Amino acid sequence: DAGITQSPRHKVTETGTPVTLRCHQTENHRYMYWYRQDPGHGLRLIHYSYGVKDTDKGEVSDGYSVSRSKTEDFLLTLESATSSQTSVYFCAIATGQGTEAFFGQGTRLTVV
Amino acid sequence: QKEVEQNSGPLSVPEGAIASLNCTYSDRGSQSFFWYRQYSGKSPELIMFIYSNGDKEDGRFTAQLNKASQYVSLLIRDSQPSDSATYLCAVNSRDYKLSFGAGTTVTVRA
Repeated sequence: DAGITQSPRHKVTETGTPVTLRCHQTENHRYMYWYRQDPGHGLRLIHYSYGVKDTDKGEVSDGYSVSRSKTEDFLLTLESATSSQTSVYFCAIATGQGTEAFFGQGTRLTVV
Repeated sequence: QKEVEQNSGPLSVPEGAIASLNCTYSDRGSQSFFWYRQYSGKSPELIMFIYSNGDKEDGRFTAQLNKASQYVSLLIRDSQPSDSATYLCAVNSRDYKLSFGAGTTVTVRA
């Protein structure tokens, strides 16, 4: 398995609170992605990174921010969680542009 | 228009039959195409990738790419109950994004 770890694996939080999800890799891969998965929607890209401090928005970035200060860590922050952000969040890594991505175990986030 | 679209399914096939999955994409400049399999409650796992027009075979799986039609497909031959899963098409576009379709759920009937 690719060396990719998401934390926490499960989290319940209250509406309006900030939440940070962490993706940590030991593969030294350049590309990292955050997705959310909801029934009927497949995987939707939130943000992605193509290098340290190089990030860009995906299709569902509103309400989310990211940071990547070092190669191995990609953080996803919900500044003020809402119930619509209840979802399963997946992090993925890839060696280069156009190469296959490997996924973390996922984080199940519930906003109550 | 969504960047990646898949036939909605669900798809039910008898054991031993061929399952056919289709995917279209909007960015004509896309270069890399992937099929992932996801079992319920698990992470997606890569089963095939294809970069060039034509067919690519790996065991019981065949991926087909037609860039002119912006179309990717996956055939699963001799379908087994263990192939029951959701299959996700993914496309890597020019701006580094890796976008996925909504997935097609396949059920193989014993």
